[in-house]
Amino acid sequence: QKEVEQNSGPLSVPEGAIASLNCTYSDRGSQSFFWYRQYSGKSPELIMSIYSNGDKEDGRFTAQLNKASQYVSLLIRDSQPSDSATYLCAVMDFGNEKLTFGTGTRLTIIP
Amino acid sequence: NAGVTQTPKFRILKIGQSMTLQCTQDMNHNYMYWYRQDPGMGLKLIYYSVGAGITDKGEVPNGYNVSRSTTEDFPLRLELAAPSQTSVYFCASSYARGQETQYFGPGTRLLVL
Repeated sequence: QKEVEQNSGPLSVPEGAIASLNCTYSDRGSQSFFWYRQYSGKSPELIMSIYSNGDKEDGRFTAQLNKASQYVSLLIRDSQPSDSATYLCAVMDFGNEKLTFGTGTRLTIIP
Repeated sequence: NAGVTQTPKFRILKIGQSMTLQCTQDMNHNYMYWYRQDPGMGLKLIYYSVGAGITDKGEVPNGYNVSRSTTEDFPLRLELAAPSQTSVYFCASSYARGQETQYFGPGTRLLVL
């Protein structure tokens, strides 16, 4: 069974610091990788997607992918209290319509 | 565009009762999904559909049924509610497979007593 592993946290980071979230996956055939943010009581929303090895930056967010080591990470620079949420890592295989989600990491930004 | 809408927002069921969770999207998306999320857990795929008339099982399909008669609607049916089905249910849709973003509805919170 395909697995996506995340540290459940909580991860506490001071405001203005860099938050680093990690995710490992078991299936080497995985091709598409996503980070979703979920505020308490709300639905997930996509914040980053990455498909190739290396870094992808979007504003304060950077996604990093290393397929050889089977991990994907999300860095949040200049962390804000509004970044406090649960971050879900999701993985999709090539040609597969289905996402496999990790259990999420709860991030708290301390003012 | 309303996006993905779900009804009801919250429901309490007694053991053995049945109900249908409604999901509608107005983005003309081909792919639709039903997930459940238990407290402190990630999302588990229940059923999905790649187009009208086509459905397939996900990771946790037991106790549920779906149909897809139109592009817009993808209802989820619980026939005999059990306490293990207490969860938050999310419907999602995407235009195509693979690299396409999945858009989520606001969720339905279900409590089975």
